[in-house]
Amino acid sequence: AQTVTQSQPEMSVQEAETVTLSCTYDTSENNYYLFWYKQPPSRQMILVIRQEAYKQQNATENRFSVNFQKAAKSFSLKISDSQLGDTAMYFCAFMKPREPNRDDKIIFGKGTRLHILP
Amino acid sequence: KAGVTQTPRYLIKTRGQQVTLSCSPISGHRSVSWYQQTPGQGLQFLFEYFSETQRNKGNFPGRFSGRQFSNSRSEMNVSTLELGDSALYLCASSYLNSPLHFGNGTRLTVT
Repeated sequence: AQTVTQSQPEMSVQEAETVTLSCTYDTSENNYYLFWYKQPPSRQMILVIRQEAYKQQNATENRFSVNFQKAAKSFSLKISDSQLGDTAMYFCAFMKPREPNRDDKIIFGKGTRLHILP
Repeated sequence: KAGVTQTPRYLIKTRGQQVTLSCSPISGHRSVSWYQQTPGQGLQFLFEYFSETQRNKGNFPGRFSGRQFSNSRSEMNVSTLELGDSALYLCASSYLNSPLHFGNGTRLTVT
């Protein structure tokens, strides 16, 4: 069974600093998808970034980028020039490609609570 | 395009009662998943529906059930509520291998 581990329950950084959130996962699959979601205090989960395992290039979305290490099964999120609005719970998630009649539910880590300090 | 809509946003129920939560997915999304979120357990997968059929199921007791209608709207029902059922219930919709799109959730409090 797939597992997703986020080893940092809580982090705090100063505004404008760079912060990296860790995520490791366990799977025997070769093809899969990885995601980072953000859940601010308003509680709506928002997709931050997505990575396809067959793509070697790390995904980037503005100030958000990932360091995807497939062999190490590691998928960390880097937030550059952090802003107060980045304060949120961040969840790492794993998904196998959807196929009929298979257990391919999306697996979430327990989350990292990130505080951006003014 | 409208996002995922969950109703109601807040619910207060008493132990032993039952509750029904509703979720309207993004137009064109045929898959709807439900998650329970609590501070101690994080996000726990309840079930997923696709084209009116339950596709995946998490490890929850039979008191938790769901269904999906022909227009892809989904409902989740919890019977014989327990204090431990107090949580944020999140619904998400998706299309094929697209990421999940979440609603704002329903905060259920059981007293």
